[in-house]
Amino acid sequence: DAKTTQPTSMDCAEGRAANLPCNHSTISGNEYVYWYRQIHSQGPQYIIHGLKNNETNEMASLIITEDRKSSTLILPHATLRDTAVYYCIVRVVYSGGGADGLTFGKGTHLIIQP
Amino acid sequence: DAGVTQSPTHLIKTRGQHVTLRCSPISGHKSVSWYQQVLGQGPQFIFQYYEKEERGRGNFPDRFSARQFPNYSSELNVNALLLGDSALYLCASSTGGQGNSPLHFGNGTRLTVT
Repeated sequence: DAKTTQPTSMDCAEGRAANLPCNHSTISGNEYVYWYRQIHSQGPQYIIHGLKNNETNEMASLIITEDRKSSTLILPHATLRDTAVYYCIVRVVYSGGGADGLTFGKGTHLIIQP
Repeated sequence: DAGVTQSPTHLIKTRGQHVTLRCSPISGHKSVSWYQQVLGQGPQFIFQYYEKEERGRGNFPDRFSARQFPNYSSELNVNALLLGDSALYLCASSTGGQGNSPLHFGNGTRLTVT
């Protein structure tokens, strides 16, 4: 079972910042927070990941609370092309050589409005 | 740089038949994973291979099998196809450096079983 909770859907106006919340209250100290998005009929696209500190790259920013029980993905200036399903996933840092696959939930359907 | 490539992009098979799906990872990536995504759901983990060894498998029947070749490409085989095997099959590759190595997905093979 997925270890994260996300809203089913969200709307955001084009040009505004989109803030996508994720609850992962049972996260362990050895688990990363990963974000992916999936545009219809395409494979999931990696966005960003982090362990404890906030992270930023060319696509987005990831804010992780100090207790690590929740995080927020921020798309600073949303465009229509950002309309997609966004998945928040927790993933072990090291699986001891075993599988470290991703467990996807249902994600958040983000709709950017013109 | 080429991303993860999968072939074929679409496939129609009849119940009881066998299917082979192929995946070429990003150059330099040694780990390949397979996921199944049925309509309306997030991807579900099937297999992970690293350096040609199976690292783990998800909750799928023995009709599903896979292998990884010396060039790190991979095949997913499904025997005795059922209608419920209709799905988008996704391949992902990573460097294999465990949790800090993002998975990068291809755009999948759409399998329809009639």
